[in-house]
Amino acid sequence: GAVVSQHPSWVICKSGTSVKIECRSLDFQATTMFWYRQFPKQSLMLMATSNEGSKATYEQGVEKDKFLINHASLTLSTLTVTSAHPEDSSFYICSARPGTDHTEAFFGQGTRLTVV
Amino acid sequence: GENVEQHPSTLSVQEGDSAVIKCTYSDSASNYFPWYKQELGKRPQLIIDIRSNVGEKKDQRIAVTLNKTAKHFSLHITETQPEDSAVYFCAASRNSGYSTLTFGKGTMLLVSP
Repeated sequence: GAVVSQHPSWVICKSGTSVKIECRSLDFQATTMFWYRQFPKQSLMLMATSNEGSKATYEQGVEKDKFLINHASLTLSTLTVTSAHPEDSSFYICSARPGTDHTEAFFGQGTRLTVV
Repeated sequence: GENVEQHPSTLSVQEGDSAVIKCTYSDSASNYFPWYKQELGKRPQLIIDIRSNVGEKKDQRIAVTLNKTAKHFSLHITETQPEDSAVYFCAASRNSGYSTLTFGKGTMLLVSP
């Protein structure tokens, strides 16, 4: 199957700093990528849809200025958590679908962010 | 937008028993329904999916049924094994690879030896 790679897999940062998470589609082009956040023992909550060459579409309640998304190429989307605080600690995971018709969504490995 | 409800939230079975997880969706335009398995700390992996033009699909011990009229679909696992223990998510989306998947809240399945 297709491969989506996410980096880093885990990161610890101090409050007030920014963290960048990368999501790459390794063997296909992804015009659209999706960013999710997952709290322990909870479901995948869509944060935003990343669109190559245009602005991301954010879900209601997600702060655009806090979670900056850039999709500069057909194989790379980045999520930057700005001025991170402990409540931003979570598991962030990206996803992409290779085709246009009901194709499987492939997920990155996820990034465990801990803000101290 | 789409809303997906999933039940039960936890399910404990004995090895060899069957397990059934049920989901309902709200958007009648949704026509793609995948099921994902997520082990602790790992990424979700697709285990089976179904499109709205069929009512049932089977892959070895796993089967999925879809009732479009009632807007619900179910995952059936037969002859469960301890390695089936994980969190299972159902999802729904419309006809497009660029459409978002809306996930259910997940079911934690525990299979006891």
